[in-house]
Amino acid sequence: SQELEQSPQSLIVQEGKNLTINCTSSKTLYGLYWYKQKYGEGLIFLMMLQKGGEEKSHEKITAKLDEKKQQSSLHITASQPSHAGIYLCGASGGSNYKLTFGKGTLLTVNP
Amino acid sequence: DGGITQSPKYLFRKEGQNVTLSCEQNLNHDAMYWYRQDPGQGLRLIYYSQIVNDFQKGDIAEGYSVSREKKESFPLTVTSAQKNPTAFYLCASSRPGMDYGYTFGSGTRLTVV
Repeated sequence: SQELEQSPQSLIVQEGKNLTINCTSSKTLYGLYWYKQKYGEGLIFLMMLQKGGEEKSHEKITAKLDEKKQQSSLHITASQPSHAGIYLCGASGGSNYKLTFGKGTLLTVNP
Repeated sequence: DGGITQSPKYLFRKEGQNVTLSCEQNLNHDAMYWYRQDPGQGLRLIYYSQIVNDFQKGDIAEGYSVSREKKESFPLTVTSAQKNPTAFYLCASSRPGMDYGYTFGSGTRLTVV
C-alpha cells in the first residue's frame, strides 16, 4: 500500500517568512492533493497536481510535483497568521478514487 | 450551496453503546468515504462506497458498520466492538475523475465517557 511521509511534522515561523512542506510517496504518484485543516474542522482542498514538473499557485501558496523523486513540495511565501493550520497531502496511488493521506504538518505563524 | 453535512458535531458515548454518525451530501457525488483522524496518526480509511447499495472496507473497518441506501447519505455506526472509538471522524465525497479530490464534511468528534 502507498505511504506518504510529510516533513516537517511541525513548523513555527515568524509572520512574513517563507516556508516549505514536503510530501514523499513510497510509490508512483498518479495524483497528489494538498489540503488545509483548521483544528477540529474538515479539510479544505488547496490544489491538485498530476503531471511531473507541474506547478500550481493559489494566492501565496505554490505546490510542485517531482515525479522522479515521488515528491511534492508546498511553498508559502510571506506567511501570515491566516496560513496557520495543518497541511495534509493525499495521493490516489492509481485507484482514481481512494486517497491515502500523510500525517500532516502543523504550521504555526507568530505575528 | 452544495456541500457535506455531518452531524452531530460532538457526540458522547457510554461504553457498550452503539452510536451512529450522520453524513449527507447534496453534491450529486457517487463516491463517499469515512475516515478517522487521531493525533499523530493522520487520516485512516474506515469504509468507502462508490455507488448506492455497495460499500467496501477500508484499512480499519473492525468495529464499524455503514449503509448506503441513498446516494446522498452514508451513515457510520460505531459499535461496541470498537475498542478505542474516541476520535475525530470525517466524511467525504468525490466525483469521477477526482479533479478536486474529496470534499470533506466538518467532522464529528466522538468521545467515550
